[in-house]
Amino acid sequence: EIVLTQSPGTLSLSPGERATLSCRASQSVSSRSLAWYQQKPGQAPRLLIYDASSRATGIPDRFSGSGSGTDFTLTISRLEPEDFAVYYCQQYGNSPPITFGQGTRLEIK
Amino acid sequence: EVQLVESGGGSVQPGGSLRLSCAASGFTFSSYGMSWVRQAPGKGLEWVSAVSSSGGATYYADSVKGRFTISRDNSKNTLYLQMNSLRAEDTAVYYCARQLGYCSEGSCYFDNWGQGTQVTVSS
Repeated sequence: EIVLTQSPGTLSLSPGERATLSCRASQSVSSRSLAWYQQKPGQAPRLLIYDASSRATGIPDRFSGSGSGTDFTLTISRLEPEDFAVYYCQQYGNSPPITFGQGTRLEIK
Repeated sequence: EVQLVESGGGSVQPGGSLRLSCAASGFTFSSYGMSWVRQAPGKGLEWVSAVSSSGGATYYADSVKGRFTISRDNSKNTLYLQMNSLRAEDTAVYYCARQLGYCSEGSCYFDNWGQGTQVTVSS
């Protein structure tokens, strides 16, 4: 089973700043099969990025994903107030089961 | 618009059973594999179970294998999760999610989620 470790655990930034969230896998994730989700309190997760860098339908272009192998990054170029939430990565490129990271909380500074 | 609406959650004693349902609309339900994903209080996400688009193939996380059964009724556009021998560690919000790819191969992700239903296992 692939373990995903997200860092930092909590990121404190101000609106307008750039956010960089990391997701590191315990072994290489094949075919860049990594997704990112956003979850706000009391809400379901929302798919942001799939295949490491493809934006899901309706996701603003301030969200971008990059990386391959064991290191992946979600970047939010300029934070909007609605972007403060918890972000999860998920790998789906290897033998089952699929796994999620433990999450990064993005909070307003 | 894709809609997934879960129901059937509640409080149950250890060893008890619950059946969750997920009513789907806004898409061709029979064309998609579906999954259940859970989230324990204050914790992250854990994939629980998946079913193929036809219902002919099912898959489970080791933590629930032998206790939970996933199924679907494509004529009713509804997904189910029968949960037996419930344990305290099964306490979580359970989400149904539309999957893309094949969870059987460890190759799926989730493009639409329901709002979740709370399951609490406690004596």
